[in-house]
Amino acid sequence: DAKTTQPNSMESNEEEPVHLPCNHSTISGTDYIHWYRQLPSQGPEYVIHGLTSNVNNRMASLAIAEDRKSSTLILHRATLRDAAVYYCILRDWNNFNKFYFGSGTKLNVKP
Amino acid sequence: NAGVTQTPKFQVLKTGQSMTLQCAQDMNHEYMSWYRQDPGMGLRLIHYSVGAGITDQGEVPNGYNVSRSTTEDFPLRLLSAAPSQTSVYFCASTLRGGADTEAFFGQGTRLTVV
Repeated sequence: DAKTTQPNSMESNEEEPVHLPCNHSTISGTDYIHWYRQLPSQGPEYVIHGLTSNVNNRMASLAIAEDRKSSTLILHRATLRDAAVYYCILRDWNNFNKFYFGSGTKLNVKP
Repeated sequence: NAGVTQTPKFQVLKTGQSMTLQCAQDMNHEYMSWYRQDPGMGLRLIHYSVGAGITDQGEVPNGYNVSRSTTEDFPLRLLSAAPSQTSVYFCASTLRGGADTEAFFGQGTRLTVV
């Protein structure tokens, strides 16, 4: 499984931007970078994904380094509802059913 | 649009009992999958289906059966429950296969086998 490395935990203040980093130095050319988040006792929830270019959606933005060895999930204004464990995963076309979630980053949002 | 619905949310079984975990989606998705989530192990694929009538094994299929008679439903059957099957089970669906697809997960079923 292609591995990703994330900080164990991060803290943010409510209504401030949050930048969640992810390193994936062994990424292959066709791997997609996905972000999911999981609240306690809930199923994983899709956040965003990308291949090479930066991506924006209603939930977040994804900034991908030019060499694709790292990426950053950006939550523009953190809310208390954004407190969750965030997982950065790589999905390849041969094993797209596999989700190696690892330990993720636990985001704490302070009021 | 309910998304992916799993029932039950919690279940306690005795060793040797059988049961079926239900999963239904209302998004007309082709692909459906079952995973189990254990501490430190991420999500492990049990079985998956690429359409009605078609199923295949994932990484950890032993002790589980699946069928897909309709597009909407993908039940997971535990044949003879064992303590090693204590876990949180998630059902997921995607519109189609591929590394660029968004996966929708159910809320999970927390199963304890005693």
